[in-house]
Amino acid sequence: QSALTQPASVSGSPGQSITISCTGTSSDVGGYNYVSWYQQHPGKAPKLMIYEVSNRPSGVPDRFSGSKSGNTASLTISGLQAEDEADYYCSSYTSSSTLVVFGGGTKLTVL
Amino acid sequence: EVQLVESGGGLVQPGGSLRLSCAASGFTFSSYEMNWVRQAPGKGLEWVSYISSSGSTIYYADSVKGRFTISRDNAKNSLYLQMNSLRAEDTAVYYCARVMDTAMVTFDYWGQGTLVTVSS
Repeated sequence: QSALTQPASVSGSPGQSITISCTGTSSDVGGYNYVSWYQQHPGKAPKLMIYEVSNRPSGVPDRFSGSKSGNTASLTISGLQAEDEADYYCSSYTSSSTLVVFGGGTKLTVL
Repeated sequence: EVQLVESGGGLVQPGGSLRLSCAASGFTFSSYEMNWVRQAPGKGLEWVSYISSSGSTIYYADSVKGRFTISRDNAKNSLYLQMNSLRAEDTAVYYCARVMDTAMVTFDYWGQGTLVTVSS
């Protein structure tokens, strides 16, 4: 069982918006602004999409945005495109000895 | 261009050992914290270990503590993971990942991964 809880799957049609949630505790998501989101296509390495809750690295489209409320972080993708179909993982710093925890991952299907 | 290239994976029997390497290029390796992250077949990402830029600070996941050892050679621009007492549940693709210099525990570059299979 992963430390952070994500829905197993979400789906949306091209052009629509979707949101993926990532729920933790006050020891991780709720306590620190070190939440990241990664995109992973099949057989590929993960790619950083969002860091420190809501910051986008250079080159990531502004269709991707992040936010946080309490112990739950969210990734929103607006204007869905076919190439957005992938697995998405959240991660957070944790005050436990583990240092970093990941969510279980969410499979995004673009219908 | 930042590049991270893992090597050393393969098939090993339960109880055996393996040493993974990650060759870094395109950036000043000695200035960056590094990590190992693994992914079991069909499963999610699991953080394994962290090492500071100097090598003086190290963390491990509970699942590998006492069995795995992370190290680095800044002169050779290389990161390592010595894995001992391997178990079937250690079977995974192992990625080395660089920590973003402006954001704690944020992995901005990843290698392509190396597959470790623990089986008799």
